[in-house]
Amino acid sequence: AQSVTQLDSQVPVFEEAPVELRCNYSSSVSVYLFWYVQYPNQGLQLLLKYLSGSTLVKGINGFEAEFNKSQTSFHLRKPSVHISDTAEYFCAVSGGGSNYKLTFGKGTLLTVNP
Amino acid sequence: DAGITQSPRYKITETGRQVTLMCHQTWSHSYMFWYRQDLGHGLRLIYYSAAADITDKGEVPDGYVVSRSKTENFPLTLESATRSQTSVYFCASSDFTDTQYFGPGTRLTVL
Repeated sequence: AQSVTQLDSQVPVFEEAPVELRCNYSSSVSVYLFWYVQYPNQGLQLLLKYLSGSTLVKGINGFEAEFNKSQTSFHLRKPSVHISDTAEYFCAVSGGGSNYKLTFGKGTLLTVNP
Repeated sequence: DAGITQSPRYKITETGRQVTLMCHQTWSHSYMFWYRQDLGHGLRLIYYSAAADITDKGEVPDGYVVSRSKTENFPLTLESATRSQTSVYFCASSDFTDTQYFGPGTRLTVL
């Protein structure tokens, strides 16, 4: 069984400040890791994913995440946020294999203030 | 338009009524999923389907029924709606790349 813990339910930051959204996972098998973003009243869209290879993954809108196997973490970072980054962010894990099911964390609401 | 659509976008119903939420995708993706999103719980998988006529339970299947007679459609039925099924429902589809593509959601209120 897999699980995902997003350590902060809300993260308020000022515009142009750096931000880190934390995600830890547990799994007994090799995992694939994802970050999705949900803007108000919309569905989720993929920000970035780690399947294999380089542990530093770059995504859309200037976000990046680092896979740390020893820490079982996949934290999301952006060096300078904009007002438009205000959204809910979900970390998710998949065990790979043949069913492609995702297990999601409970989400982190990022609020960027002027 | 190509993509994944859900209907209706908003639905209000009463306890005990049957409700069907529709999901349609134009990519011919093999996999389709239904999630519910509730405050404090994130997204939880209700049912998923690997192909037409192949469905399986997710984390919270009780009170829901699905079918998939065609690859592009994956309706979710609440046979007898309860207040605890008030939620936002998301449909998603996936090809074989592990990326899921989400619909815009259906906000369901059960009175």
